[in-house]
Amino acid sequence: EVQLVQSGAEVKKPGESLKISCKGSGYSFTSYWIGWVRQMPGKGLEWMGIIYPGDSDTRYSPSFQGQVTISADKSISTAYLQWSSLKASDTAMYYCVRHLGIVGATDPFDYWGQGTLVTVSS
Amino acid sequence: QSVLTQPPSVSEAPRQRVTISCSGSSSNIGNNAVNWYQQLPGKAPKLLIYYDDLLPSGVSDRFSGSKSGTSASLAISGLQSEDEADYYCAAWDDRLNGWVFGGGTKLTVL
Repeated sequence: EVQLVQSGAEVKKPGESLKISCKGSGYSFTSYWIGWVRQMPGKGLEWMGIIYPGDSDTRYSPSFQGQVTISADKSISTAYLQWSSLKASDTAMYYCVRHLGIVGATDPFDYWGQGTLVTVSS
Repeated sequence: QSVLTQPPSVSEAPRQRVTISCSGSSSNIGNNAVNWYQQLPGKAPKLLIYYDDLLPSGVSDRFSGSKSGTSASLAISGLQSEDEADYYCAAWDDRLNGWVFGGGTKLTVL
């Protein structure tokens, strides 16, 4: 069974750093693109970026380029999303997603993690 | 403001049929497949329709998708209370070189 299990909720202060994780299981982690999607409170879905764990090819949405870093450790089948200096506006639910795996980065998201709630408040 | 345009809300009575529209441009819907996601209250989204009109395994055939030009639609027939959710369309955008979403449509079953 394919699963994406994300790390738990975080409460941080502005200016702090953070790295959240997404562990894939039940499939070949290095063969599927993994992406991240943000959902701010009461708002819609926003695509942040993707990574191909097989070779660490990474692409970012222009809206998030330079604001976050996406990485992966294929030895433990885990993808990461990290911030070096959080802002209150980073408060949101963050989902990791797996791409279907037929074509590549343009494939739909066939599996979603359960989400990680990040709260940034002084 | 979202790149893809959806109505903020739709409502219909049980057992009826409802459609949700998604409008884009030549760089996204006009040249790439549309996918639809269902987000039940308090849950992670789930893939509902992919490659314009395909149903993932386990998704009820009460759901269907279609596309024409730069617009797509999601139809839900035989509405049930459990269909109350937010629905999002998404497509790859060649100009932005990334994924774009609609703003989401909240479905209320009256």
